[in-house]
Amino acid sequence: NAGVIQTPRHKVTGKGQEATLWCEPISGHSAVFWYRQTIVQGLEFLTYFRNQAPIDDSGMPKERFSAQMPNQSHSTLKIQSTQPQDSAVYLCASSLGQGTGQLYFGEGSKLTVL
Amino acid sequence: TQTVSQSDAHVTVFEGDSVELRCNYSYGGSIYLSWYIQHHGHGLQFLLKYYSGNPVVQGVNGFEAEFSKSDSSFHLRKASVHWSDSAVYFCAVSATSGSWQLIFGSGTQLTVMP
Repeated sequence: NAGVIQTPRHKVTGKGQEATLWCEPISGHSAVFWYRQTIVQGLEFLTYFRNQAPIDDSGMPKERFSAQMPNQSHSTLKIQSTQPQDSAVYLCASSLGQGTGQLYFGEGSKLTVL
Repeated sequence: TQTVSQSDAHVTVFEGDSVELRCNYSYGGSIYLSWYIQHHGHGLQFLLKYYSGNPVVQGVNGFEAEFSKSDSSFHLRKASVHWSDSAVYFCAVSATSGSWQLIFGSGTQLTVMP
């Protein structure tokens, strides 16, 4: 079991560029979550999918952020026109389908916007 | 609205000491409570969770937590800490119905001195 895999681990973009972050959940897990972590805001929920369908995107900024799960083996988080305030560690997690409060996290993708 | 409060931002102890990390929550319905550990530069790892039954739950690496409905608390304890326990610890709450998102506390940095 390789765990949740996130790529890239580090990404540096210039202001206004696009950033795409990838997540491969644990095989057999049906739910995928995205969180953003910063020193100031802590861990913020962004969105999650269940069986590839978007279920709750209440934490997603309304502009520039989008997430997709085109198949059961990967999810992407895309940030258009990146801004310095988007700099953060983006964490992906997966869980079995029961919603038991137990998530398996990847190592995170650290995004730095210059 | 679910909230999670971790009142201690930093806790410092010596190796071999016992430690308690505090967590209080606010939520009116049925919930899961859990604790996660995050070593610097890595993702979060699940330690333990509580849903019902025995209010004291055992986790990995000698950690345990005790649920108290009257105090709305779910404190994490370890009888004898090791230097490798130095990390940030997050308490989390999630509803048993509806959205599966976890709401995290702000975290407690535990430093174990040799």
